[in-house]
Amino acid sequence: DQQVKQNSPSLSVQEGRISILNCDYTNSMFDYFLWYKKYPAEGPTFLISISSIKDKNEDGRFTVFLNKSAKHLSLHIVPSQPGDSAVYFCAASGDSNYQLIWGAGTKLIIKP
Amino acid sequence: DTGVSQNPRHKITKRGQNVTFRCDPISEHNRLYWYRQTLGQGPEFLTYFQNEAQLEKSRLLSDRFSAERPKGSFSTLEIQRTEQGDSAMYLCASRRTGIVGYTFGSGTRLTVV
Repeated sequence: DQQVKQNSPSLSVQEGRISILNCDYTNSMFDYFLWYKKYPAEGPTFLISISSIKDKNEDGRFTVFLNKSAKHLSLHIVPSQPGDSAVYFCAASGDSNYQLIWGAGTKLIIKP
Repeated sequence: DTGVSQNPRHKITKRGQNVTFRCDPISEHNRLYWYRQTLGQGPEFLTYFQNEAQLEKSRLLSDRFSAERPKGSFSTLEIQRTEQGDSAMYLCASRRTGIVGYTFGSGTRLTVV
């Protein structure tokens, strides 16, 4: 039973345009959501998080939107840059230990 | 801040052998996590330490797996009698209480042949 789903295995976006990565979840008890970026042969790098009490969090070029009623969150990257090409993981936590439940990832390719 | 360090980066072992991986977290981080990642999937939680205490273990962690964090500093993950299904990337992460995001190491890629 996948509690966190990223339904797009890959996404290709033109440099300078907006990248939108989507994530759906099933467990309404999740109270923190995080996005990580992963380059090949490296561990995931934390990008941005959002608490369930908010619907938007912004950090530079990265904005995360949370729609609790739809159990959906998205990561917007604008403008997209070549260095953004990586695999992006959505993760969720519902306990005080912050044990994370992860999606399968979306590979983002930024075209020059 | 030297980051989270994992050793070795790669390990190839024969089925049935024992292997041990080491993780050195960021020094002021009291919480340490082990995850396992297979190709095309997100990381799966294995176990979690707060200081030297192992507070939670996933049911994925069979009795062939054991983890320790003596003195609340570095941690080791041992797999006994390895099986081909153990082949994966083993990721270690640490964080400080009150901080949401983990810092991950680069992982140890295990191949069981």
